[in-house]
Amino acid sequence: EVKLEESGGGLVQPGGSLRLSCDASGFAFNTHEMNWVRQAPGKGLEWVSYISGSGNAVDYAESVKGRFTSSRDNAKKSLYLQMNNLRAEDTAIYYCVTSGATIPAFDAFDIWGQGTMVTVSS
Amino acid sequence: EIVLTQSPGTLSLSPGERATLSCRASQSVTNNYLAWYQQKPGQAPRLLIYGASSRATGIPDRFSGSGSGTDFTLTISRLEPEDFAVYFCQQYGRSPRYSFGQGTKLEIK
Repeated sequence: EVKLEESGGGLVQPGGSLRLSCDASGFAFNTHEMNWVRQAPGKGLEWVSYISGSGNAVDYAESVKGRFTSSRDNAKKSLYLQMNNLRAEDTAIYYCVTSGATIPAFDAFDIWGQGTMVTVSS
Repeated sequence: EIVLTQSPGTLSLSPGERATLSCRASQSVTNNYLAWYQQKPGQAPRLLIYGASSRATGIPDRFSGSGSGTDFTLTISRLEPEDFAVYFCQQYGRSPRYSFGQGTKLEIK
């Protein structure tokens, strides 16, 4: 079974840091690009970050650039999101997603984790 | 920056009816890399359509996608009770790398 499982969410004060993790199983993790997508309570979806299969290429939404860092450990089949200088507007469910696990395409997200909630509040 | 605008915001229909959801892009979508997702309360989104018109694995054939360039449509031919949910479109390619529409809520009339 193809699966993604996030962890690491929680309550953090403004200006604080948090590290999210995503464990993958059921597919060749090291060949797949990975992304983080978030959803604020009652709102729509927002793409956050991208990382290539090798980890050599990354890309970020303007809203998180300079504050968030995506990385991966292919030996552990794990994806990470280091979030620094957190703001109230970063409060959201964070989903780990990938493409191409069940479809012959890289441009859409066919596998989603269950999400992990991050709350930024004092 | 490419912006996706979905319409209508809310669509009220009855089971058995046909649903037509629209997604319009502010610029042409690269290679028609346009996807549609369904999200039910408390669940992660589920991929329905990719490449504007290809159904994802396990998606019933009552779901179909069409369009090109800047105008795309998701059609549900005959609504089943489980189809009432929120639907998002998403593009790949232009800055930002990925972006989503704001969503259309499909509710029971």
